[in-house]
Amino acid sequence: DTEVTQTPKHLVMGMTNKKSLKCEQHMGHRAMYWYKQKAKKPPELMFVYSYEKLSINESVPSRFSPECPNSSLLNLHLHALQPEDSALYLCASSQGGFPEAFFGQGTRLTVV
Amino acid sequence: QQQVKQSPQSLIVQKGGISIINCAYENTAFDYFPWYQQFPGKGPALLIAIRPDVSEKKEGRFTISFNKSAKQFSLHIMDSQPGDSATYFCAANKSNTGKLIFGQGTTLQVKP
Repeated sequence: DTEVTQTPKHLVMGMTNKKSLKCEQHMGHRAMYWYKQKAKKPPELMFVYSYEKLSINESVPSRFSPECPNSSLLNLHLHALQPEDSALYLCASSQGGFPEAFFGQGTRLTVV
Repeated sequence: QQQVKQSPQSLIVQKGGISIINCAYENTAFDYFPWYQQFPGKGPALLIAIRPDVSEKKEGRFTISFNKSAKQFSLHIMDSQPGDSATYFCAANKSNTGKLIFGQGTTLQVKP
């Protein structure tokens, strides 16, 4: 099973809302990632968790807060977002030490 | 030094033809070069990948050619089919960072 599952698939939120994106993988991967992708652009790395510890934060604004409750789950907590944060948010995972990253289908986020 | 440059931006190929997408990089520390295929509204799917100790890798109709001295690599899609119409991203990675650097993407259209 090479599947990374993301929920929800679509999310519309107001600028004062708090919401969370969820990601789950059961491949035994020990590295998990959040990427942001704007239309017609490549994915941009936001965060990397390695063995459940945050190893990379690409200077992401604090209104995005990642959490890795266990080796299979990754959350992205959203608060006070701006309309320009509207994008496809992608979760990915890979085996620790191996770069082959498998992506989920993404959450299409719209901030109104 | 962190950039990966991809060309062309868009490509139209007739069914049965060969699609060629090129990428170039600067950072000689990169040691893993994947290609991803992305359909609209979906997450990127890992297509094929190569390491610099190999000059060519073939999987079905997809071939990566790698030129280490020129710091270039390319994706060849043989016998292109309308179902191959998608956006293709090359990427590069330093395996100890967990960070994929993506090219800007190529939108491929295969005409029937």
